[in-house]
Amino acid sequence: GQQVMQIPQYQHVQEGEDFTTYCNSSTTLSNIQWYKQRPGGHPVFLIQLVKSGEVKKQKRLTFQFGEAKKNSSLHITATQTTDVGTYFCAGRGTYKYIFGTGTRLKVLA
Amino acid sequence: DGGITQSPKYLFRKEGQNVTLSCEQNLNHDAMYWYRQDPGQGLRLIYYSQIVNDFQKGDIAEGYSVSREKKESFPLTVTSAQKNPTAFYLCASSDRGPGELFFGEGSRLTVL
Repeated sequence: GQQVMQIPQYQHVQEGEDFTTYCNSSTTLSNIQWYKQRPGGHPVFLIQLVKSGEVKKQKRLTFQFGEAKKNSSLHITATQTTDVGTYFCAGRGTYKYIFGTGTRLKVLA
Repeated sequence: DGGITQSPKYLFRKEGQNVTLSCEQNLNHDAMYWYRQDPGQGLRLIYYSQIVNDFQKGDIAEGYSVSREKKESFPLTVTSAQKNPTAFYLCASSDRGPGELFFGEGSRLTVL
């Protein structure tokens, strides 16, 4: 079946350092979404990418969708303590979303 | 306020008991989903429903059952057949198109 993998599984950074998480699908995706889950909370939608090669920015966050629509990345510039949490990508197959394994980010002040 | 409400937030169950987790949404969304999350892991799809009176199995449906009798409600029953039911259960909804998922705050089930 369809699988979506994310790397790394964990990342510890010093506040101010950059952070990147990568998402890879075993099949071509119609779109990809990114979510953030704070510790003890529920996933919250960040963004959706639809077009091949698409790049979107939200302040310090940059999201990219691969040309083949099988991979994606999330890059955070100059991390802050408020960025702590687990970041998930979710690929849309037919009628359902398949979530990646997530990257847990810890930011050390 | 529009949103998704899950209840209960915390639930303890003895082995061999069935439990039902409630999920209600007032977003007028057609699609609803149940995910399971284990500590430090991703979200795995249990069941999903695109429309009232219809639902499909996800990747880990064994030991679970659902119903979709009303558009706004999608309850999940964790049966005694589920071997490892202790987990965090998340309900979500979306428009029928490829829109974002809105999640409830989750239900944490512990089997004693």
